[in-house]
Amino acid sequence: KAGVTQTPRYLIKTRGQQVTLSCSPISGHRSVSWYQQTPGQGLQFLFEYFSETQRNKGNFPGRFSGRQFSNSRSEMNVSTLELGDSALYLCASSKLGDTEAFFGQGTRLTVV
Amino acid sequence: AQSVTQPDIHITVSEGASLELRCNYSYGATPYLFWYVQSPGQGLQLLLKYFSGDTLVQGIKGFEAEFKRSQSSFNLRKPSVHWSDAAEYFCAVGNFGNEKLTFGTGTRLTIIP
Repeated sequence: KAGVTQTPRYLIKTRGQQVTLSCSPISGHRSVSWYQQTPGQGLQFLFEYFSETQRNKGNFPGRFSGRQFSNSRSEMNVSTLELGDSALYLCASSKLGDTEAFFGQGTRLTVV
Repeated sequence: AQSVTQPDIHITVSEGASLELRCNYSYGATPYLFWYVQSPGQGLQLLLKYFSGDTLVQGIKGFEAEFKRSQSSFNLRKPSVHWSDAAEYFCAVGNFGNEKLTFGTGTRLTIIP
């Protein structure tokens, strides 16, 4: 079956702009989590959605937001981009309660 | 708060040699523990997981890990590494019903011929 699909794979944005990243989970998975990966901070949890509701949130500013649709697809949005937002953004999906997360290949965001 | 420590930032081993990557966790209850591998520019692939039961777990690609509660450790091992094992390895901790994973800082593995 198809894995977790993230689009786009690469993005270049200018400071101050906003960006939307998309994640399609594995069929049947209803939980979607987002992580930011940078060389300095490593892998950090952004937020997790289940049934269109945010269940967990990491320690990121309000510029980072997300949502989940009824088909479990999820988007994350970053507004007023800063240079420090340059990172690999990873999406993971899981069955509720399984905790075994399957990751997509990520979206590489570069802010210039 | 839960945390994961991977004390080795970079390890170099010869092809065919054995490998052990260290992972220590801090967690109040019985943790769910994972090892993931990441090739450059790619996502994370699950190697193995521990939820409960047998403390020695087998994973994909010939990897295994042992959960030692007394040492708060979950070290990853492989008896004989292959050049294709060169990648970054991440240990992570989670708990049931909470999809949030806390990751270690990773160990980069280099294989020399």
